Amino acid sequence: EAGVTQSPTHLIKTRGQQATLRCSPISGHTSVYWYQQALGLGLQFLLWYDEGEERNRGNFPPRFSGRQFPNYSSELNVNALELEDSALYLCASSFSRDYGYTFGSGTRLTVV
Amino acid sequence: RKEVEQDPGPFNVPEGATVAFNCTYSNSASQSFFWYRQDCRKEPKLLMSVYSSGNEDGRFTAQLNRASQYISLLIRDSKLSDSATYLCVVTVRMDSNYQLIWGAGTKLIIKP
Repeated sequence: EAGVTQSPTHLIKTRGQQATLRCSPISGHTSVYWYQQALGLGLQFLLWYDEGEERNRGNFPPRFSGRQFPNYSSELNVNALELEDSALYLCASSFSRDYGYTFGSGTRLTVV
Repeated sequence: RKEVEQDPGPFNVPEGATVAFNCTYSNSASQSFFWYRQDCRKEPKLLMSVYSSGNEDGRFTAQLNRASQYISLLIRDSKLSDSATYLCVVTVRMDSNYQLIWGAGTKLIIKP
């Protein structure tokens, strides 16, 4: 069974540009979660999608947005990139909240 | 007070020793509990769910204490490969949604 896949693995952008990160959940998982993990820091919750709808949003500015497609894959868009957006962006999927969450290996975004 | 708190460590433990750490949570309505491990610059991986009756998986034992609102992880006969950051996760129901609350992690270093 394929795990959660994220692309690209690395992304380098300049300040002010836009970044698009992609995530494909495990087959059968309808929930997708996005997290930001800056170097040396804990996971910061960004967004939760389930059945194509945004269910919850973390404490991030509106330039962080996303969507979930009918096949449950998801995109995270970050507009007007700032240097402090440099981080590892992790996507996780789950079948149910009681069964834990499986993470992809992440996209390392560097803003220069 | 943080919703989920962990001692950041690091815990420096000799190989073969037993180590335990706790994670406290503030919301009494918390429903599901998990332990994840995260290796340096990698994604978190589910270690084990934590059940009300406690559960064991090889050298790892997880316990839930609802009265005192904490979960614990015990590692017996520690191995060098157990060196990682251990994250606890709590699921809380908020209106019709569920929110994952992550601890910032406890760093464990196993020394030969």
